[in-house]
Amino acid sequence: TQLLEQSPQFLSIQEGENLTVYCNSSSVFSSLQWYRQEPGEGPVLLVTVVTGGEVKKLKRLTFQFGDARKDSSLHITAAQPGDTGLYLCAGAGGGGADGLTFGKGTHLIIQP
Amino acid sequence: NAGVTQTPKFRVLKTGQSMTLLCAQDMNHEYMYWYRQDPGMGLRLIHYSVGEGTTAKGEVPDGYNVSRLKKQNFLLGLESAAPSQTSVYFCASSYWGGVETQYFGPGTRLLVL
Repeated sequence: TQLLEQSPQFLSIQEGENLTVYCNSSSVFSSLQWYRQEPGEGPVLLVTVVTGGEVKKLKRLTFQFGDARKDSSLHITAAQPGDTGLYLCAGAGGGGADGLTFGKGTHLIIQP
Repeated sequence: NAGVTQTPKFRVLKTGQSMTLLCAQDMNHEYMYWYRQDPGMGLRLIHYSVGEGTTAKGEVPDGYNVSRLKKQNFLLGLESAAPSQTSVYFCASSYWGGVETQYFGPGTRLLVL
């Protein structure tokens, strides 16, 4: 069974601060995705990283896939209250049919 | 284009009762999935389907059955509900593009007393 460990589990910071969320595994994934989930809703895809070492930017969010494709990070610059939510990383084995392996998530609260 | 929809949004069952959760997608996706989300456990795959008429077990299939009679629908059944099945259930669908982008429904909250 492939496992994804996310850290930290909870994070509460002030508006304007920077933060990094980590997603680590001992297994290799063919791709890794980051989702954001609001209360009462389903997860929504933020980004997919496929190539080892890949870096993708989405406004103030920077996503990185580890060289060995076993880990990933999400860095938020100058966090805003609108960034508050549950962030989930999910790895795909590449076969397509087995669904995604999700981390347990990071609950992020940005205080004004 | 509604994406992925789930019915019902919320349900309360007594132990031993049965029910069916319905998932529908209008994106012509081949793959569909059922997950459950519990506090501190993340999302766990229950069953999935790679096309009409096919189903397969995921990580936590016990106590659940599924059917995919039509490409756009994926049903999740609980034959005899147990309190341990109290959870939020999410359906998702995807194309097969090699990067597994999944689109999730809004969830069904189930409470089993």
